[in-house]
Amino acid sequence: QLVESGGGSVQPGGSLRLSCAVSGLTVSTNYMSWVRQAPGKGLEWVSLIYSGSNTYYADSVKGRFTISTDTSKNSLHLQMNSLRADDAAVYFCARLYGSGSDKHLDVWGQGATVSVSS
Amino acid sequence: SFNLTQPPSVSVSPGQTASIICSGDNLGDKFASWYQQKPGQSPVLVIYRDSRRPSGIPERFSGSNSGNTATLTISGTQAMDEADYYCQAWDSRAVVFGGGTKLAVL
Repeated sequence: QLVESGGGSVQPGGSLRLSCAVSGLTVSTNYMSWVRQAPGKGLEWVSLIYSGSNTYYADSVKGRFTISTDTSKNSLHLQMNSLRADDAAVYFCARLYGSGSDKHLDVWGQGATVSVSS
Repeated sequence: SFNLTQPPSVSVSPGQTASIICSGDNLGDKFASWYQQKPGQSPVLVIYRDSRRPSGIPERFSGSNSGNTATLTISGTQAMDEADYYCQAWDSRAVVFGGGTKLAVL
């Protein structure tokens, strides 16, 4: 089970930290990801982490967002800085599962809403 | 970068077969997955590894992938299948989504 928290409203240029409490699987041994969905829009992959230190980002958030895990709490986090209006979305955490090039998101959280407005 | 293209909408009559396509350069050389998302809900994986169904997904959902096109097929479509559907592939250590297709069951 994945449960996001930390969503809210922030002004442009501000920061926010999302968390995802994970149960039933171990973050340190899984590929974990963030996916977002702007209002009325499609799914957009944001970031990925595996083995604690291997991190990847979509170009749209590179240099502004940081993904991390806390193995002591078995949780996933997304630190979002320099937020822009187009970062407003529902943010889902999800497990990326599979082998080789067969990678798919099989477990999803319920989502956390981020609003960016002055 | 790798891109996936889907038609914005598809309509089908109840009981008929719906086909949703997803196009990408040499997509058949990768594995395609499909997600169903109903309003206000999180996405649900319905097909992975081109054609495999996760536990709990009805048999009427099937998939194929060849050449530049992956296809999600829903046989005997029901009203409850009305939703947005997204294809997805893995490329260069990134998750790639199609733009999504709204399936209307009319």
